[in-house]
Amino acid sequence: ELKVEQNPLFLSMQEGKNYTIYCNYSTTSDRLYWYRQDPGKSLESLFVLLSNGAVKQEGRLMASLDTKARLSTLHITAAVHDLSATYFCAVVTGTASKLTFGTGTRLQVTL
Amino acid sequence: NAGVTQTPKFQVLKTGQSMTLQCAQDMNHEYMSWYRQDPGMGLRLIHYSVGAGITDQGEVPNGYNVSRSTTEDFPLRLLSAAPSQTSVYFCASTTWGAPLHFGNGTRLTVT
Repeated sequence: ELKVEQNPLFLSMQEGKNYTIYCNYSTTSDRLYWYRQDPGKSLESLFVLLSNGAVKQEGRLMASLDTKARLSTLHITAAVHDLSATYFCAVVTGTASKLTFGTGTRLQVTL
Repeated sequence: NAGVTQTPKFQVLKTGQSMTLQCAQDMNHEYMSWYRQDPGMGLRLIHYSVGAGITDQGEVPNGYNVSRSTTEDFPLRLLSAAPSQTSVYFCASTTWGAPLHFGNGTRLTVT
């Protein structure tokens, strides 16, 4: 059974600081997604990582995938308040519609 | 461009009642799935479909039925509602290599 673990579960950081969220998974997969969710809202796709060594960047967020280590990271550079949200990683197992999600990292960026 | 449409947005049921959560997508995606989201547990897969006429169980299928008679529609039926099914339900669709597109969710309370 695939397990996906994120850490930390909760992260409070000051504006302007850098930090990394980690996503570990227990079985082989070469596709991993990162999502953002604001309170009471749906999930918004951030990154699609389709191969070992994949790196994607959008604004202050950068995601990477190491399939050999079964690890993905989401790096936040110079955090701003607007990044406050819950971030989920999700690993594909089998078909494209079958994702296993991590429990999420709630990020709070304080002024 | 509607994307994934879920109805209703909110629903309150009494224990033992049945209901159908509707999901429709207009992107001609072959893959569709239902997830439930509970606090502290991320999203868990209930049922998924890889095309019209083909469905399969996910991680937490008990108490739920699905069917996929058309590419566009993927309804989720609760057979006899229980308080443990109180949750937020998300429908999603995708095609290979793309992220899941999520609907806005249905918040269900079973009393």
